[in-house]
Amino acid sequence: GAVVSQHPSWVICKSGTSVKIECRSLDFQATTMFWYRQFPKQSLMLMATSNEGSKATYEQGVEKDKFLINHASLTLSTLTVTSAHPEDSSFYICSVSETGDYGYTFGSGTRLTVV
Amino acid sequence: RKEVEQDPGPFNVPEGATVAFNCTYSNSASQSFFWYRQDCRKEPKLLMSVYSSGNEDGRFTAQLNRASQYISLLIRDSKLSDSATYLCVVNRFSGGYNKLIFGAGTRLAVHP
Repeated sequence: GAVVSQHPSWVICKSGTSVKIECRSLDFQATTMFWYRQFPKQSLMLMATSNEGSKATYEQGVEKDKFLINHASLTLSTLTVTSAHPEDSSFYICSVSETGDYGYTFGSGTRLTVV
Repeated sequence: RKEVEQDPGPFNVPEGATVAFNCTYSNSASQSFFWYRQDCRKEPKLLMSVYSSGNEDGRFTAQLNRASQYISLLIRDSKLSDSATYLCVVNRFSGGYNKLIFGAGTRLAVHP
């Protein structure tokens, strides 16, 4: 399956600052990538679908101005959490799917802590 | 009601035990189904896809009942290394994309 690299693995930032998370598809050209968020003991929730060369599609309830997604190339999508607050502290994970139907590969995730 | 429902557990079982997890989904438009495994503070990893005909991979057997919208996972001869959270996942087409919908997971703890 695809190999996905996500960076950074963890980050601690001050409230009000912005944090950028990178997701790279190392061996597969991904026109679509997905961004998820997982709070402790909860399920992964899809935040947005990142589309190469066009605007991301956000799920209901996800603020597009707060969670900026850029998918400038077929191998890189970035998620920027702007003006982060403690309630944004969570586990953010990206994924790609080679076939669109079977087996999604996930990045290793980014644990964000906002203090 | 959540779109994918699972018993959160935890299931505490001894090594060698057989354990079964169940999952129900509410959207009949769901197209494909998976079990993922997630270790603590790690990303989910695909365990197996689930088909109506049932499928087996070593000690793991998965089954799908589309009529009942029910998915199961059976683990035989549990190992300590099986301790993890098992996520029931459905894939459906929505808004022009295939989307994965995750259950909250069932925790399994295998003890000596």
